[in-house]
Amino acid sequence: QQQVKQSPQSLIVQKGGISIINCAYENTAFDYFPWYQQFPGKGPALLIAIRPDVSEKKEGRFTISFNKSAKQFSLHIMDSQPGDSATYFCAPLLNTDKLIFGTGTRLQVFP
Amino acid sequence: DTGVSQNPRHKITKRGQNVTFRCDPISEHNRLYWYRQTLGQGPEFLTYFQNEAQLEKSRLLSDRFSAERPKGSFSTLEIQRTEQGDSAMYLCASSLWGLAGTFGPGTRLTVL
Repeated sequence: QQQVKQSPQSLIVQKGGISIINCAYENTAFDYFPWYQQFPGKGPALLIAIRPDVSEKKEGRFTISFNKSAKQFSLHIMDSQPGDSATYFCAPLLNTDKLIFGTGTRLQVFP
Repeated sequence: DTGVSQNPRHKITKRGQNVTFRCDPISEHNRLYWYRQTLGQGPEFLTYFQNEAQLEKSRLLSDRFSAERPKGSFSTLEIQRTEQGDSAMYLCASSLWGLAGTFGPGTRLTVL
């Protein structure tokens, strides 16, 4: 299931810094682009999502940038906090049917 | 609404035994999904229901796996003759039509 490539695999950021996670895809049948946050032992939680007719969406400290022609989208976390330490997954929706998850990025934010 | 619930949260079983997991979705959601997540990986799609109809099954879902959603509300996932390779977190999610799903806390299965 290599339809979605996520990078980096892990990320260490200082408190207050910017965390950037990237996702690249090939399948043009993806029609919705969410990011999920997962803490150890918990299920993934929807963080923010974007439709393909929009290039950027911001919710609080979280921003998605979407480049349809390059088939890439990214998550930016501004003013990163220790509580943001988690694993993040891009999970584009295929044919409005099912989520296809990336391999995940483990983010660690140090005080 | 209390979100998506899954039971049990943990299950330890011996190889060859059958196990059944239950998922209770958000009540107004018509779609229910099952995913499997192994350590260090992203969740992988197994199957989904729209109301009581099972619309798609992944090739990952061998004939030892069966899922039901008899009345279009809760769902069960049964694994027969469990194998050590079945050890994983089994996640349930629900959504309204094709929107991004809300996930439950998962059932962690350990096959000894």
